[in-house]
Formats: sequence, C-alpha cells, structure tokens
Amino acid sequence: AQSVAQPEDQVNVAEGNPLTVKCTYSVSGNPYLFWYVQYPNRGLQFLLKYITGDNLVKGSYGFEAEFNKSQTSFHLKKPSALVSDSALYFCAVRDIPTSGTYKYIFGTGTRLKVLA
Amino acid sequence: DVKVTQSSRYLVKRTGEKVFLECVQDMDHENMFWYRQDPGLGLRLIYFSYDVKMKEKGDIPEGYSVSREKKERFSLILESASTNQTSMYLCASSLVPYYEQYFGPGTRLTVT
Repeated sequence: AQSVAQPEDQVNVAEGNPLTVKCTYSVSGNPYLFWYVQYPNRGLQFLLKYITGDNLVKGSYGFEAEFNKSQTSFHLKKPSALVSDSALYFCAVRDIPTSGTYKYIFGTGTRLKVLA
Repeated sequence: DVKVTQSSRYLVKRTGEKVFLECVQDMDHENMFWYRQDPGLGLRLIYFSYDVKMKEKGDIPEGYSVSREKKERFSLILESASTNQTSMYLCASSLVPYYEQYFGPGTRLTVT
C-alpha cells in the first residue's frame, strides 16, 4: 500500500542555521511528491513538487527538496532558517490506486520551530 | 492567484444538528476536496469531486455527504453532527487531481 512518513513530530533549529524536514515514501511506480506549509490558523500552502526531472527541486520562500529514489526520500531543506519559517510542514505523495481516481496521501506533519 | 474560501472560520454546533460547510473556488478548477485535520493524524480525505454532480468517497466518508451543483462550489454536509466530528475541516481545489492543491483557510468545527 502507498504510504508517506514524516519521522519527526518536531524539529528545532536556530535562526540562520540550515534546516531539514524529513519525508520518506512508499509507492509502486513513479512518485509524485509534494510539500505544503501550514501557518497557525491557516490552510495549507503549496511549497514545491517533484514530478520528474532534476532531483533537486526549488520552491517558494527559499525552500528546496531533494528527491532520492534509492532511499525513497524527499527531504525539505533550506540553507538558512528564519523565525518566520516556524510552521507545520506536510509531505504528500500521489496515491496510485488499483482502481478509481488518483488521490493524495498526506504525512502526519512536522512542526518546525526556528529559535531566535 | 487561486482563491479558495470557506463559509465560516469557526462554528459551534450541538449534537444531532445538520451542519453545512461551504467552499467556493474562483479558478475554474475541475477537482475539489474535503479533508479533516486532527493532531497526529495529518489530513484525511473525506470526499472529493472531479466534476459537477460527480463525487467519490475518500478514506473517512462515514457520517458525511457532499453536494456539487456548480463547478465553483463544493459543500460538505454532516447529517447529524456528533462530538467525534469536532475537527478542523479543510477544502481544496486543483486543476489536475494529482497535482498541487490550493486550500481554503479551514473551518474549526466544535460539536457539543
């Protein structure tokens, strides 16, 4: 069965340091992978996606993610964290059903806390 | 920019009431989705619709129904609200069903 895992409930990082939020997935076939961010009391905002092509994907607000097929991972990264990056981050993968229509599977979310 | 709006940010209802949550998108997207978000569980798909009057059950449809009479509007209905339906409800739309989704601000529903 298709699945996506975010192994860390919370990540703390000092402002100015690089940050990584981890995501691993399990799908049959080629994955479509996504990252979203949720600020307090807001809906989710799309950050970036990997469909095909270059393994390093650049997105909004200076974020990037690296697709690693051998490790089945799609970690979110940023070279220098800002306090304003503090939010809840969700990884998602396209489900490839045996029948019916495609849908997403979301991870459980990782809370990023950037400390001043 | 895509805009997805939801009718209420906060809602308090009593057990047994019929509850309507409305969602409107302004980008002519074919696909619309309803999720509920609970701490530690992430987002779970309740229903989605890939065309007017078309709908498909998601992972947790029990206790919910939906209506899509117009392309821009997708409604979630709780037929008889129960306390275990207290949650954050998020609506989303997308041009292609398995590409990026655009979310509304959410409705935090409390059932007492």
